[in-house]
Amino acid sequence: GAGVSQSPSNKVTEKGKDVELRCDPISGHTALYWYRQSLGQGLEFLIYFQGNSAPDKSGLPSDRFSAERTGGSVSTLTIQRTQQEDSAVYLCASSPLRQGNEKLFFGSGTQLSVL
Amino acid sequence: SQQGEEDPQALSIQEGENATMNCSYKTSINNLQWYRQNSGRGLVHLILIRSNEREKHSGRLRVTLDTSKKSSSLLITASRAADTASYFCATDARQAGTALIFGKGTTLSVSS
Repeated sequence: GAGVSQSPSNKVTEKGKDVELRCDPISGHTALYWYRQSLGQGLEFLIYFQGNSAPDKSGLPSDRFSAERTGGSVSTLTIQRTQQEDSAVYLCASSPLRQGNEKLFFGSGTQLSVL
Repeated sequence: SQQGEEDPQALSIQEGENATMNCSYKTSINNLQWYRQNSGRGLVHLILIRSNEREKHSGRLRVTLDTSKKSSSLLITASRAADTASYFCATDARQAGTALIFGKGTTLSVSS
């Protein structure tokens, strides 16, 4: 497909376990974002990959969160030792990044539930 | 932080009425964008207005930007039940390479 793909769409895990969330951006898009959205809340910025530049990790809430983007394409967000407060929808978005931030294309998100 | 703040938090109107949502932000920006979200999952881009633009139209949408007041408004004319959704503004600061930050959103309910 031509859109941003996220997997899994739903993930249920036990407190203390590690989880990996995957994002396949639109081909050719150099910018990739991860956001988190708790129920009924706005989007919380987590991390921003911009081409070959160092990622902006300023939004990661703790050192349990990390993300990588391999080959400038697929990205994985890893949460170690999950806590109940990590339960949220994790959204990925990509952008062509021509002149600064252009419009973002979002995936459908991963609903993470930590029991 | 240049995070936008939308108001009102919630808005209920009848079909055919106009809906106006406002967004305020704190620092100088490159551009401001509006997005719509249905059912709490992926967002859809509506419109982008650059810092040197004052007004932009797209179908039934009209966006204004007042950089002196650091505010923007989104007007949806002749609303429909299908416009029921959450609406978010997003801004990026003027410095190159800054991330796009979203506000908390306005929840719009349009009843028929």
